[in-house]
Amino acid sequence: GAGVSQSPRYKVAKRGQDVALRCDPISGHVSLFWYQQALGQGPEFLTYFQNEAQLDKSGLPSDRFFAERPEGSVSTLKIQRTQQEDSAVYLCASSLNMARMNTEAFFGQGTRLTVV
Amino acid sequence: QQQVKQSPQSLIVQKGGISIINCAYENTAFDYFPWYQQFPGKGPALLIAIRPDVSEKKEGRFTISFNKSAKQFSLHIMDSQPGDSATYFCAAGGSGGGADGLTFGKGTHLIIQP
Repeated sequence: GAGVSQSPRYKVAKRGQDVALRCDPISGHVSLFWYQQALGQGPEFLTYFQNEAQLDKSGLPSDRFFAERPEGSVSTLKIQRTQQEDSAVYLCASSLNMARMNTEAFFGQGTRLTVV
Repeated sequence: QQQVKQSPQSLIVQKGGISIINCAYENTAFDYFPWYQQFPGKGPALLIAIRPDVSEKKEGRFTISFNKSAKQFSLHIMDSQPGDSATYFCAAGGSGGGADGLTFGKGTHLIIQP
């Protein structure tokens, strides 16, 4: 498809389990963002990649959260030792975004993570 | 610290009426102000966006009004339709320096009554 693809759509994890969430951005998009959206809230910025370089990870809530984009396309958000407060929808977005100028960011459908 | 404040939290409008959602921001480095529409189970989708060099932008039934001195911007939906029922988020972003992600408001749940 032509849009941002995220998998899995739904993930249930037991507390303490590690999870990995995948994002396939739109082909050719330089910038990739991860956001966390709690129920009834707006998305909150987690981290930003320009190609394979992680330029900003200031929004990652703890060192249990780790993101990578090794070849500048597909990205993985990993959460270690999941806690109940990690339950949220994790959104990935990509954009052409050259020269640090904001252009339209296209969002995927998200992965709904539930930690039990 | 909430950098983008959005109101109202929820809004009910009759079909054919005007829906108005307001946002205020604090960071004067912001220079890109998009509005996103989100349906249940879907990711946010860009509706319309504005930069601070203009005070108004219109696309179809959707208009953004921007007041740079007051650090406020609003979304107007003219001739509101039941299909417009969704959650709307304002956001703000900056070019050059700082995080390159967007800062979102908490959202407005809009219901258009037929």
